[in-house]
Amino acid sequence: GAVVSQHPSWVICKSGTSVKIECRSLDFQATTMFWYRQFPKQSLMLMATSNEGSKATYEQGVEKDKFLINHASLTLSTLTVTSAHPEDSSFYICSAQEGPRAGELFFGEGSRLTVL
Amino acid sequence: GQQLNQSPQSMFIQEGEDVSMNCTSSSIFNTWLWYKQDPGEGPVLLIALYKAGELTSNGRLTAQFGITRKDSFLNISASIPSDVGIYFCAGQDANFGNEKLTFGTGTRLTIIP
Repeated sequence: GAVVSQHPSWVICKSGTSVKIECRSLDFQATTMFWYRQFPKQSLMLMATSNEGSKATYEQGVEKDKFLINHASLTLSTLTVTSAHPEDSSFYICSAQEGPRAGELFFGEGSRLTVL
Repeated sequence: GQQLNQSPQSMFIQEGEDVSMNCTSSSIFNTWLWYKQDPGEGPVLLIALYKAGELTSNGRLTAQFGITRKDSFLNISASIPSDVGIYFCAGQDANFGNEKLTFGTGTRLTIIP
């Protein structure tokens, strides 16, 4: 299947700092990428839909000013957690749509954020 | 956000046993997908189902898209140690991409030595 890569795989930061997570589609172009958050022993919760060249669409309850999403090219979307707090510590996972069918959606390996 | 109800929540089985798990929803979905997630990694697609009643196999895995479009099941035959992990179902409202997925609550599979 297609490859989606996230960077960094894990990051530890101090409270109040900002952290940027990258999501790249390595062998295909993706006009749409999705960002999920997963707390320990829980399911994936969609945070936002990232659209290349336009503003992201955020799910209800997700603060767009706190979780900045930029989809500047067809192979890269970034999620920036601004002014991070310990409650933002989580596993962040992106996915990218390779083709039109649901089964052509591929996930990155995830990025674990720990805010001290 | 909305979640699909998945059962069982966890399973403890012996190697070689068959496994069955299911997912139910109050809403109709046009696509059902099954993923496996290993610790510290992203989900990996196992099977995608696009048509009500569809029965699809992928090696030892078999999944079905319920006729009502509100449920799906996944069976694993003759389990092996590498089957350990968390299995998620997911539903999508449209057959085509760029529509968000709703994930199930997950089934954690453990194999007892």
